Amino acid sequence: GAGVSQSPSNKVTEKGKDVELRCDPISGHTALYWYRQSLGQGLEFLIYFQGNSAPDKSGLPSDRFSAERTGGSVSTLTIQRTQQEDSAVYLCASSLFGAPNQPQHFGDGTRLSIL
Amino acid sequence: DAKTTQPNSMESNEEEPVHLPCNHSTISGTDYIHWYRQLPSQGPEYVIHGLTSNVNNRMASLAIAEDRKSSTLILHRATLRDAAVYYCILNSGGSNYKLTFGKGTLLTVNP
Repeated sequence: GAGVSQSPSNKVTEKGKDVELRCDPISGHTALYWYRQSLGQGLEFLIYFQGNSAPDKSGLPSDRFSAERTGGSVSTLTIQRTQQEDSAVYLCASSLFGAPNQPQHFGDGTRLSIL
Repeated sequence: DAKTTQPNSMESNEEEPVHLPCNHSTISGTDYIHWYRQLPSQGPEYVIHGLTSNVNNRMASLAIAEDRKSSTLILHRATLRDAAVYYCILNSGGSNYKLTFGKGTLLTVNP
């Protein structure tokens, strides 16, 4: 079956521009997660959605980052006024529901480069 | 979050078994032990998870110590496609069920 789909796969933009990253989870998965992976930092958690709600937004690095999920399916991660330190691979994952025993299935990410 | 400790790297030969260790001495009773792996230029891939009992699936086996302070991921016959970074992660839930990735173990498989 189809896995987690992310678009675009690569994005190059100038510092100061806004970017929008999209995640299409596995059909039927109610939980959705965003992570990012940068060269010096490893993989870090950003935000979790159960349905359309994000109970904890404390993982977002700054107020330039926002995320939404509508219809319990597709999610978008928006970065406003991008900075060079935002360059990273942004990964989305989904699971059947949110629970510590649920496997998370990852997409291949969006590689974001800020010039 | 309870921490895990893994060797930085391991090497194996193709078609031989591989035992990847993980120490988690501060594990709590509600922590699930998860293993993921990441191949170059791909997102992490779920491998297996368990709580107390040993687990088997089509990809691997997970052996959990009786005191749960350590676990071992077993690949029964390594292939070149198993070369990846393997992460041992504890998931206790909390408010966001996040996975906290450490540095993992880089597995090299020799032909």
